[in-house]
Amino acid sequence: EVQLVESGGGLVKPGGSLRLSCAASGYVFSTYSMNWVRQAPGKGLEWVSSISSTGNHILYADSVKGRFSISRDDAKNSVYLQMNRLRGEDTAIYYCARRPFFDFDYWGQGVLVTVS
Amino acid sequence: NFMLTQPHSVSESPGKTVTVSCTRSSGSIASNYVQWYQQRPGSSPTTVIYEDNQRPSGVPDRFSGSIDASSNSASLTISGLKTEDEADYYCLSYDATHWVFGGGTKLTVL
Repeated sequence: EVQLVESGGGLVKPGGSLRLSCAASGYVFSTYSMNWVRQAPGKGLEWVSSISSTGNHILYADSVKGRFSISRDDAKNSVYLQMNRLRGEDTAIYYCARRPFFDFDYWGQGVLVTVS
Repeated sequence: NFMLTQPHSVSESPGKTVTVSCTRSSGSIASNYVQWYQQRPGSSPTTVIYEDNQRPSGVPDRFSGSIDASSNSASLTISGLKTEDEADYYCLSYDATHWVFGGGTKLTVL
């Protein structure tokens, strides 16, 4: 069974940093692209970042480019999101999601980040 | 970057059919696959349609997706509405440098 479990969320002050982790299990992690998607309270989904299976192709939303950094460790079956210079508008539930081709087919339960 | 525009809300009665639209602001809707996600309150999103019109296993055939190049839009159609279909629905597509979600549509089944 595919499982994605996010961790590392919490309360942080504006300007601070936080590192989110997503631990994957139940499939061959190294063969899939991974993504981070966030959802502000009461709002819609917003794609944040994507990393290819090889780690060579990385994309960011304009709203986080230059502040956030995505990475992966295939030995630990994990993907990370390093978030720096956090702002109030970064407050959201952050989901990691697996992407085989064009579909975000499995999602984690999400982790809450509060910037205040 | 492009945007995907969805109606904020739609409502329909049980047993009826509803269609949710997703209009792409620039670039051809037909050039990049569109996915649709269902999100119930307090839950993570799940796929109901991928690659324009494909249904994952376990999603009933009451759910269907289509593309209309003339209006540059995608549509999610749910027939035989059930109360359990009440949820938020999001479209998703991409270009060379970004993935973009639509703003979401709240479906009320009343």
